[in-house]
Amino acid sequence: KAGVTQTPRYLIKTRGQQVTLSCSPISGHRSVSWYQQTPGQGLQFLFEYFSETQRNKGNFPGRFSGRQFSNSRSEMNVSTLELGDSALYLCASSLAGAGGYNEQFFGPGTRLTVL
Amino acid sequence: AQSVAQPEDQVNVAEGNPLTVKCTYSVSGNPYLFWYVQYPNRGLQFLLKYITGDNLVKGSYGFEAEFNKSQTSFHLKKPSALVSDSALYFCAVRDMNNNAGNMLTFGGGTRLMVKP
Repeated sequence: KAGVTQTPRYLIKTRGQQVTLSCSPISGHRSVSWYQQTPGQGLQFLFEYFSETQRNKGNFPGRFSGRQFSNSRSEMNVSTLELGDSALYLCASSLAGAGGYNEQFFGPGTRLTVL
Repeated sequence: AQSVAQPEDQVNVAEGNPLTVKCTYSVSGNPYLFWYVQYPNRGLQFLLKYITGDNLVKGSYGFEAEFNKSQTSFHLKKPSALVSDSALYFCAVRDMNNNAGNMLTFGGGTRLMVKP
């Protein structure tokens, strides 16, 4: 079974631009979560989508948004990029359910650099 | 609110020796606890989880973790370390009584260095 895939793997943008990252979950997984990883803040939860609906949102500004499609694929968008948005963005998928006891499977991440 | 602490930024151990990576957590209810490992330029790989039942949980690659409710700890252990175990390890928690879907709160990570 194929793992979680993320595209692109690397991205360089300049301040003020916007960016869209894509995530394809493991087949059959309906929950997709996004995390931001930085050396200073560590791993922080951005949001989770389940059945095309945002189920949870972390403490990030409104410049960060996402969506999920009917095939469970997900995208996240960051508008008006800032230098501090430079990070590794990780997508994770898990089986359905709100119980939270299913482990999440992570993709390799998208390394975003903002210049 | 839920939180996780990994008190050691780095753990050094000789190959063949036992290793322990420490994790303590704070949740308002009962916890679901997870350990993940991250190799350079890779995403996180799931090692093991505690949901309920036996306090000693066995996972991938010979790792195990012990859940201690009174000490709110979930330390990761391995009887005999390998050089290939060198990586960044993350502990994560989810409060099962909090309607937060699959949201995980991660600790800051512990870098494990196994020397030959």
